[in-house]
Amino acid sequence: QSALTQPASVSGSPGQSITISCTGTSSDIGAYNFVSWYQQHPGKAPKLMISDVSYRHSGVSNRFSGSKSDNTASLTISGLQAEDEADYYCISYTSRNDVVFGGGTKVTVL
Amino acid sequence: QVHLAESGGGLVKPGGSLTLSCEVSGFNVRDYYMSWIRQAPGKGLQWVSYISITGLTMYYSDSVEGRFIISRDNAKNSLYLQVKNLRPEDSGVYYCARQFRLTTFDYWGHGTLVTVTS
Repeated sequence: QSALTQPASVSGSPGQSITISCTGTSSDIGAYNFVSWYQQHPGKAPKLMISDVSYRHSGVSNRFSGSKSDNTASLTISGLQAEDEADYYCISYTSRNDVVFGGGTKVTVL
Repeated sequence: QVHLAESGGGLVKPGGSLTLSCEVSGFNVRDYYMSWIRQAPGKGLQWVSYISITGLTMYYSDSVEGRFIISRDNAKNSLYLQVKNLRPEDSGVYYCARQFRLTTFDYWGHGTLVTVTS
């Protein structure tokens, strides 16, 4: 299974908006609306942020939003805050009945 | 309150075996898909395996197929991962997670570290 493609790093200043892309294929992201996003701070377990492309998990700030177009999913963080600095991972269901993660994106708040 | 606690990791030589455990409280493992996800040191997340609600269907990533076995014990409310013929590239933190939906892992444990080295 090939990992989904994410940029290695994205940065922004406090208050700005950033978007993280997650590119797959017609056998995963393009075929299903089962894409989720996770946030991971150093030394911590991942935390669910967005499920099923665009649904914010309970307790997640509305500054986080998800979308999808064709084979690419995106996570947008608006009003960037220092606490948003973390690694972010996308994941998609695939036609093989399994799931595949993206390589991860390190978000830096300048 | 939901809590997942992994155990069983450790230092093992290539070709060795371990059994990882995940004790669950706050929900019944038999009511959810459950997964193992790992993370090599300094690397990204990799899904390893999941077991269906019925417990009759298991899926594995290509890299562990034939070497790892996922199982659960409803009476002990626990999830397991037997890892065999270990390779250095199997090293990392192994997390168990509740799989609420296909890609929705809503509760995670703290992880258990497996180190494969000669």
